[in-house]
Amino acid sequence: DADVTQTPRNRITKTGKRIMLECSQTKGHDRMYWYRQDPGLGLQLIYYSFDVKDINKGEISDGYSVSRQAQAKFSLSLESAIPNQTALYFCATSERGGDTQYFGPGTRLTVL
Amino acid sequence: AQSVTQPDIHITVSEGASLELRCNYSYGATPYLFWYVQSPGQGLQLLLKYFSGDTLVQGIKGFEAEFKRSQSSFNLRKPSVHWSDAAEYFCAVGTFYTGNQFYFGTGTSLTVIP
Repeated sequence: DADVTQTPRNRITKTGKRIMLECSQTKGHDRMYWYRQDPGLGLQLIYYSFDVKDINKGEISDGYSVSRQAQAKFSLSLESAIPNQTALYFCATSERGGDTQYFGPGTRLTVL
Repeated sequence: AQSVTQPDIHITVSEGASLELRCNYSYGATPYLFWYVQSPGQGLQLLLKYFSGDTLVQGIKGFEAEFKRSQSSFNLRKPSVHWSDAAEYFCAVGTFYTGNQFYFGTGTSLTVIP
């Protein structure tokens, strides 16, 4: 089984809808991250969490919110989706003080 | 501010030929450097990483990278490319002094022709 899983893998929604993307990990890592990937822009950090009570904004947090329900779960929400949030979203984890991030398979989100 | 530049958006090489993907970084301290590969429809897989010590690091799938502090570079190389190496490659800088954040380059897309 994969260490970092993301659900759903694909989602098509309409402008104005609320969307939640979920990430779960079995690696036992404290730190979790959400990125979005756009063609030609690489990965941009949306939010990151160092533990359940420590959540921080990344480079592009506007329009997004997150919830760290447990050490193993980190959800990303779009309260009112807009078309320019169409992108590939990745969740990642790392150990406390760790030197490497481990990525989930990604969620492709399309906002019409 | 930290930044990573991958100057080549797309590279095409013949199978069996050598490969070099360029990466330049901007960071005020000794960086932690990474190369990731993303195959179509997949997440990112770590190829190799550099923290300290020997500036030539070996990774998986026959890849290696060399850290050159004087040039602020961390170029990825492979002596003989296989068709299965066709993918997107990302260079990244880890900034653990500012809270375990990672900064990614924009990626280089590799096409391998027979």
